[in-house]
Amino acid sequence: QKEVEQNSGPLSVPEGAIASLNCTYSDRGSQSFFWYRQYSGKSPELIMSIYSNGDKEDGRFTAQLNKASQYVSLLIRDSQPSDSATYLCASTGGGNKLTFGTGTQLKVEL
Amino acid sequence: DAGVTQSPTHLIKTRGQQVTLRCSPKSGHDTVSWYQQALGQGPQFIFQYYEEEERQRGNFPDRFSGHQFPNYSSELNVNALLLGDSALYLCASITEGGGQETQYFGPGTRLLVL
Repeated sequence: QKEVEQNSGPLSVPEGAIASLNCTYSDRGSQSFFWYRQYSGKSPELIMSIYSNGDKEDGRFTAQLNKASQYVSLLIRDSQPSDSATYLCASTGGGNKLTFGTGTQLKVEL
Repeated sequence: DAGVTQSPTHLIKTRGQQVTLRCSPKSGHDTVSWYQQALGQGPQFIFQYYEEEERQRGNFPDRFSGHQFPNYSSELNVNALLLGDSALYLCASITEGGGQETQYFGPGTRLLVL
């Protein structure tokens, strides 16, 4: 059983729309959660981290965490073609080991 | 302030050979983790080094070994290469503050085993 689950997509949204990316995790001991963006052929780039229940906003990005439901989401407002990438959800428990989902491919269409 | 650096960027080896990949963390970061990312998958944790010791290890065979040097740079060694070892190998540099850690990835080394 995978510990972090994501829909592989692709998720297609029109330019200017809100993209909603979702992630569930099975380890209740997970403490920290991260969203990484990965362009094709490149390494993952950290875009958001969230450590407590609720919402965390950074520019066009909002991360949401619900530990009771073991659910993490990322909202991207005013989506741009440059946001087209694979978004990786990751969690850590103790020890800094990141556990990743397989990623959701996002396509922002003109 | 230099970010995480890795070398080489690309590498082609044949089955049975051995390979060494290198990583230098961000300035001030003393902990390094290595990940393997196969095509279409998320990165998988290999191991982590702190104070020149392997602190944590993922589900990888002993063919995968590592080292950390006093300047915090690190090497990943893979012996007896298999076709399935073809992947993007990522080094992550870790910073901790207030009980919260953040991991920054280097550009990766793409290994192809023929």
